[in-house]
Amino acid sequence: QVQLVQSGAEVKKPGSSVRVSCKASGGTFSSDTITWVRQAPGQGLEWMGRIIPLVDVTNNAVRFEGRITFTADKSTSTAYMELRRLRSEDTAVYYCTRGDGDFALSWGQGTLVSVSS
Amino acid sequence: DIVMTQSPDSLAVSLGERATINCKSSRSVLYTFNKKNSVAWYQQKPGQPPKLLIYWASTREFGVPERFSGSGSGTDFTLTISSLQAEDVAVYYCQQYYTTPSWTFGQGTKVEIK
Repeated sequence: QVQLVQSGAEVKKPGSSVRVSCKASGGTFSSDTITWVRQAPGQGLEWMGRIIPLVDVTNNAVRFEGRITFTADKSTSTAYMELRRLRSEDTAVYYCTRGDGDFALSWGQGTLVSVSS
Repeated sequence: DIVMTQSPDSLAVSLGERATINCKSSRSVLYTFNKKNSVAWYQQKPGQPPKLLIYWASTREFGVPERFSGSGSGTDFTLTISSLQAEDVAVYYCQQYYTTPSWTFGQGTKVEIK
């Protein structure tokens, strides 16, 4: 059973950046697709983008264009999501998920990112 | 973008009774190459990440109780809990992956005990 363990909660100022990590144990990290989904407080789920570590291919939602980066370190089976120029509306729980790119087979525990001045 | 609209937003069902959640996509999510509908369903309990229940509209994920079933085709889909248990209290989301890599989710349906 592949487990995804994410980094801890973050408190950020508007305009700053955050990087969330997602370490996979078990399974075959390189051949998986790691997709990032966020959930604002009391709200639904929003697809942010994905990375396929095997080929380092990334895709992101248009609304994050220019301020989001996905990376993966195959040697440590860890994926990263960096979001820049943070705004208060970016306050959310950020989840990494794994699968084949179609749906999320498993989820990390979530990382709360709070953006406040 | 494909918009996924769930109904109702919430429902209260007695223990042991059937719960039905609907999900409508703004256009067909049927893959012609494999004749499968690209819809998944998730369950999210308070303070937890979502959990995959159903994919390809009707395939139950390993370990998911048989009381959970998915159906539908084209633009209209349903998640049914045949006999509601206390542990089924949660928010349920549908998701389309027809436009993969991009996904869209329904707004969620909250299921409570009556």
